Amino acid sequence: QLQLQESGPGLVTPSETLSLTCSVSGGSISSNIHYWAWIRQPPGKGLEWIGSIYYSGTTYYNPSLESRVTISVDTSKNHFSLRLSSVSAADTAVYFCARRAVAAGGAFDHWGQGTLVTVSS
Amino acid sequence: SYELTQPPSVSVSPGQTASITCSGDKLGDKFASWYQQKPGQSPVLVIYQDNRRPSGIPERFSGSKSGNTATLTISGTPAMDEADYYCQAWDSSIAVFGGGTKLTVL
Repeated sequence: QLQLQESGPGLVTPSETLSLTCSVSGGSISSNIHYWAWIRQPPGKGLEWIGSIYYSGTTYYNPSLESRVTISVDTSKNHFSLRLSSVSAADTAVYFCARRAVAAGGAFDHWGQGTLVTVSS
Repeated sequence: SYELTQPPSVSVSPGQTASITCSGDKLGDKFASWYQQKPGQSPVLVIYQDNRRPSGIPERFSGSKSGNTATLTISGTPAMDEADYYCQAWDSSIAVFGGGTKLTVL
């Protein structure tokens, strides 16, 4: 059973960099039919895709966040990571990691439980 | 930027059929997915590729598409299906979510 688990600081200071890791268990992150994604949800609001990465390192980012986002993958540790720089209160959200299934029309078929990141001094 | 439009809220009586729409430019040329999210939980995929149901999702969930509008239908809606529902599609290599629809069962 595939499981994704987000980890990282729950509190980040404004203007600093948010860093999260998603650990994948029960499956290989080196799958050639899946991508791995970060998605966030501000309190009381909808879902926003941040970006995706393939095991080879190919990345795709939301144009609205692209200048501040870096997603990386470590196949030896079976995890992938998110870095979001110059954060502000607007970046306060629950951050989810998810698997994108190419064979399912690109749907996100497995999600982590999510982790709340608050940006505050 | 690409947008998907959903009604903010839909109400349905228990046991009746609920329909939630999602519209977007050229959505007819893209695959639509649907997610259910209950309070405090992660989203769950309920429909992919417009009308396919993942294993473990009840048969009462179905999807369809006509032109540039995708529809999620829940037949015989039980109270447990009260949740937020999001549609999602890909515009080139960018994932886009609809704004979400709060389904109230009352």
